[in-house]
Order: sequence, then C-alpha cells, then structure tokens
Amino acid sequence: GAGVSQTPSNKVTEKGKYVELRCDPISGHTALYWYRQSLGQGPEFLIYFQGTGAADDSGLPNDRFFAVRPEGSVSTLKIQRTERGDSAVYLCASSLTGQTDTQYFGPGTRLTVL
Amino acid sequence: DQQVKQNSPSLSVQEGRISILNCDYTNSMFDYFLWYKKYPAEGPTFLISISSIKDKNEDGRFTVFLNKSAKHLSLHIVPSQPGDSAVYFCAASARVSGANSKLTFGKGITLSVRP
Repeated sequence: GAGVSQTPSNKVTEKGKYVELRCDPISGHTALYWYRQSLGQGPEFLIYFQGTGAADDSGLPNDRFFAVRPEGSVSTLKIQRTERGDSAVYLCASSLTGQTDTQYFGPGTRLTVL
Repeated sequence: DQQVKQNSPSLSVQEGRISILNCDYTNSMFDYFLWYKKYPAEGPTFLISISSIKDKNEDGRFTVFLNKSAKHLSLHIVPSQPGDSAVYFCAASARVSGANSKLTFGKGITLSVRP
C-alpha cells in the first residue's frame, strides 16, 4: 500500500510570496500531523488534524501559517507572506486514529525562501 | 528549551559492534517514547517504541531501554550494520494528558557504521 506522499518535493519561492504544500496521508488514517524541520534540528510539531478539524494548532508559529483538511483526507499547509526564516523541510505524518498509533511520515517538502 | 535532548551529535562504530544511542528528557508528562531513523531526502521511519510502564522493549537487533527515574532512554543496535548508518531521532509524547499524540523530537544523532 502507498505511504504518505507530499508534493512538491522541493519549492523555491521569493520572500513575500504565498505557498501551498500538500499532504496525502495513508488511506484510512484519520489523524494527520504537520511538522517542520529546520537545519540541524529535529522535527517540530505544527498542527494536528483529527478528521476534518484542527484538534491542536498550538505549534503554528504565527498567523501567516494555516492548514486545512476539508474532506478528512488530503491536507494543505498554507504559508502567506513567506519569510527567509520559513525555509525548512515540512513533514507530514498520519496515524490510524491519533490516540496511541505510530505516526508514519512522508518524505517532506523542502521549502526555500530567497 | 529542549524537552528531548540528544547531546551527542554523532557516533561512529565498527560493523558488528554495538551502537548505543542516548536520549534524555525533561518533561515528566512524557509517557511514550519512540526512535525514528532517517535517511537523506526521506522522511523519518519508525523503528521502535516503549511505554513508560516498561523498562525494556526488544525488536530483532534493536532494543530500547527506559530509565524513568533518570529520565533517560537508550537505543542499542546489535550487531551494527553499514545499512544502519543514518540519523536517529528520539521522540516523546504525553498520551495520558490528552488525545493528541503529537511528538516532541530531539535534534538527532548521526550514526556511521564502518565496514
């Protein structure tokens, strides 16, 4: 079966632009997580979806970051007015229920803001 | 402040020997711990986990030990193989405190296994 997929694999944009990053979770997984990994750091939690709703968005750094999961499957992370400090690898993970299950990660999207 | 700490950035071992990767945590609410392995340009891959009610969990060549009083865990790989060369992340979650199993990661350790 297919794992978690993320598109694009790489995104280069200019400061101030808007970007969207997409995540396709494993089929049937109700829980979806976004993490951000900066150079030399471990992944940092951004937001957690249970079904269609954002159950925990406490990791979003500011209001330029927003994520949706309208049908409870695919999720899009949206970043407005990008800044150079937003450059990182954005990782998506999914798990079966979000309670005690293992999280399976996608390959990530490397975002570079020039 | 780092709630999960992997203080050694790298480790090099000879093939066939034991690799010991260490991890410390500060948050007493953490009750579930995981190790992920990451190759370049790939996402982290789940390796092994342990609940706080246990002090050891073994899966093939991989064993994780948990010392709750010291807030310390370690991953043992025996015997080490060149294919084990990767970045290893220690992660923790506080499952009892809520329904959200979000993970808190350490910075990772780069393991190199020499042939």
